[in-house]
Amino acid sequence: GESVGLHLPTLSVQEGDNSIINCAYSNSASDYFIWYKQESGKGPQFIIDIRSNMDKRQGQRVTVLLNKTVKHLSLQIAATQPGDSAVYFCAENLGGSNYKLTFGKGTLLTVNP
Amino acid sequence: NAGVTQTPKFQVLKTGQSMTLQCAQDMNHEYMSWYRQDPGMGLRLIHYSVGAGITDQGEVPNGYNVSRSTTEDFPLRLLSAAPSQTSVYFCASSPHRDTNYGYTFGSGTRLTVV
Repeated sequence: GESVGLHLPTLSVQEGDNSIINCAYSNSASDYFIWYKQESGKGPQFIIDIRSNMDKRQGQRVTVLLNKTVKHLSLQIAATQPGDSAVYFCAENLGGSNYKLTFGKGTLLTVNP
Repeated sequence: NAGVTQTPKFQVLKTGQSMTLQCAQDMNHEYMSWYRQDPGMGLRLIHYSVGAGITDQGEVPNGYNVSRSTTEDFPLRLLSAAPSQTSVYFCASSPHRDTNYGYTFGSGTRLTVV
C-alpha cells in the first residue's frame, strides 16, 4: 500500500546548526502535508503545514519544502536548539477525504550542546 | 481553553476486560479522531468522526468502537482487551480542512493489557 516514509530514522546535530529532516510520500493525490513534533511523553504538536499548490512555506525558524515531482517533503530547522530534540513526523492527506491524515514513522532529532 | 483532554493517562487492563478511553475538546471542532502509536509504527488511525452522530473506520478499527453523541466528546471503547492493544492512544481534533492549524492532539493514554 501507499504510505508516508522517512529517509532517516535518526539525526544528530550540534546546537546552532541547521537541521533537515526528509520525508517521501507516494500518493500523487495527496494535497496537504503537515509536520509534527513529539517530545517524550507528550502528544504530537503541530509545527507547520503546506498545501500542494505551494512549494515552500516558512514559519518561525522552520521551513517546509515540497517537491511534487519527486514526491518529497522536507523540514528545515534553523539554528537548532536543545529544545528542538524530539521525534518529527510528517503526515499527508491521502485525498478523497480532507480529514484523514497518514503519518510517517518519525525521525528522532538529537541536538548536542 | 483546555484544548483536547484525554483520560486516563495510564491504564492497566487484564485480557478480556473492557474500558472506555475518554476524549473531550472545548474548541467546537467538527472533526475528531483516535490514533494508536506503537514503536516503529508511527501513528495509525483507528476511528474518526466528521461531526456529531457520524463516525467511520480508519486503518486499524478492529477491537474498538466509538460514538459521537456530542461535538465535544469522542470516547473510544475496548470491548474485550487483548495484549495486541497495548499501545499509546492519542485523540485529535480539527476545525475542518481549511485551517492553518492542522490537528490538535491530546497528551495520550498509555494502555497496557496483560
